[in-house]
Amino acid sequence: GDSVTQTEGLVTLTEGLPVMLNCTYQTIYSNPFLFWYVQHLNESPRLLLKSFTDNKRTEHQGFHATLHKSSSSFHLQKSSAQLSDSALYYCALSDPGTGSNRLTFGKGTKFSLIP
Amino acid sequence: GGIITQTPKFLIGQEGQKLTLKCQQNFNHDTMYWYRQDSGKGLRLIYYSITENDLQKGDLSEGYDASREKKSSFSLTVTSAQKNEMAVFLCASSIETDYAEQFFGPGTRLTVL
Repeated sequence: GDSVTQTEGLVTLTEGLPVMLNCTYQTIYSNPFLFWYVQHLNESPRLLLKSFTDNKRTEHQGFHATLHKSSSSFHLQKSSAQLSDSALYYCALSDPGTGSNRLTFGKGTKFSLIP
Repeated sequence: GGIITQTPKFLIGQEGQKLTLKCQQNFNHDTMYWYRQDSGKGLRLIYYSITENDLQKGDLSEGYDASREKKSSFSLTVTSAQKNEMAVFLCASSIETDYAEQFFGPGTRLTVL
């Protein structure tokens, strides 16, 4: 079945520095959909960005990610992290044509900023 | 816009007890989902439903039952609560197309004594 692997555990960074959260995936389908969801403390997960186009940069709220099918990756990046970016980040995968929009999530990466 | 409500917010049960969690959405979405969230294990799909009276098993369905009584509501039953179990159960909904955003409810936090 499908699987998603993320940077495990806690990533701690000083505010203002660039950040990259890793995401790689495995699927038998050639055209998967990839998503990043963000969950702030005491809130529900919400969609941050998504993509299905190979080698095209997708941006939202200062974050960006590019789907690279050659390396099965969809890393999340930001050029200058802010305190408000502290949250739990999930990478997720769905397969087209299944008719259910069923997502497979990674285990999540907790991202914490230091002032 | 719309909203997803989950009841109860906190649920405390005893070992072996049957426990039911409820979810309501007013997005008019076709598809609804139940996830279990454990620290360090991510979000794992328990059940989903693509329309009223439809049920599909996820990766973690053993030990759970679900019911989609009508389009707007989706219930999850823990058939026999396990001692010292602690987790958050999240309900979500989406339109029935590939690539659609899933909207999540606030969650039910389960503690089993």
